[in-house]
Amino acid sequence: GAGVSQSPSNKVTEKGKDVELRCDPISGHTALYWYRQSLGQGLEFLIYFQGNSAPDKSGLPSDRFSAERTGGSVSTLTIQRTQQEDSAVYLCASSLELSLAKNIQYFGAGTRLSVL
Amino acid sequence: AQKVTQAQTEISVVEKEDVTLDCVYETRDTTYYLFWYKQPPSGELVFLIRRNSFDEQNEISGRYSWNFQKSTSSFNFTITASQVVDSAVYFCALSEAQGGGKLIFGQGTELSVKP
Repeated sequence: GAGVSQSPSNKVTEKGKDVELRCDPISGHTALYWYRQSLGQGLEFLIYFQGNSAPDKSGLPSDRFSAERTGGSVSTLTIQRTQQEDSAVYLCASSLELSLAKNIQYFGAGTRLSVL
Repeated sequence: AQKVTQAQTEISVVEKEDVTLDCVYETRDTTYYLFWYKQPPSGELVFLIRRNSFDEQNEISGRYSWNFQKSTSSFNFTITASQVVDSAVYFCALSEAQGGGKLIFGQGTELSVKP
C-alpha cells in the first residue's frame, strides 16, 4: 500500500483479555517502530525492528507486551492480560532504513485501544 | 539523558497571525536529528521536516520556517500567516545516533487557529 496501514482502527476489550494489533509498513521499508500515545505519558517509544529482529525492546512497559515481525514486513504487537492502563493509541511507523541518514518515519493512523 | 521539551502546551491565534512553536532538546550525542510532526484532528502523525545536527541552516517551506540553534539547543517552528487548517498538535522529536532511530518526542503543542 501507499502508506502504513494499521488494524483494527479501534479495539474495545475487557480487562484480562489478550489483544493483537497489526501493522503493515510501507513496501520496501526495512525499519519498523511501535509507539504508544496516551494522555498521561504523551508519545512514547515501545520497540523497533530492523528486518525481523528487534534490537531494542527497552520501551516495552511490561512482560505482558510482546511484538514480532515476520518476513520483514507485517508486525504484530500483542498485549496479554490487558489492564485499564493499557488504554491508549498504538502507533506504528516505518522508515526506509535504520541509519539516521535515511530514517524518516512515516506513521499509520493508529489503533485506539480501550480496556474496560 | 535525552529529552525534548515543548513548553507551550496550547497556543491560540487568530487567522493570519504569525506563530512560533518552541522546542528545546537535550542530548549527549554529537550526531542527531531533529524532527517536527503535525497531528491533525484525524490523528495521523504527518512528517514536516528533519534536520541533522551538523546543518544549522534555517529552512523555509512556504508559510513554514524552522530555526535550528545548537548554541541554545533549540529547534523552533514558525508558521507565517496562519490558517485554520494549521490547527493541530505539533510534536518536536529527537533521534540519536545510538538510538536505532527511535524518536523521543516532546509533549506537543496544540495550536488553535481561529477564523
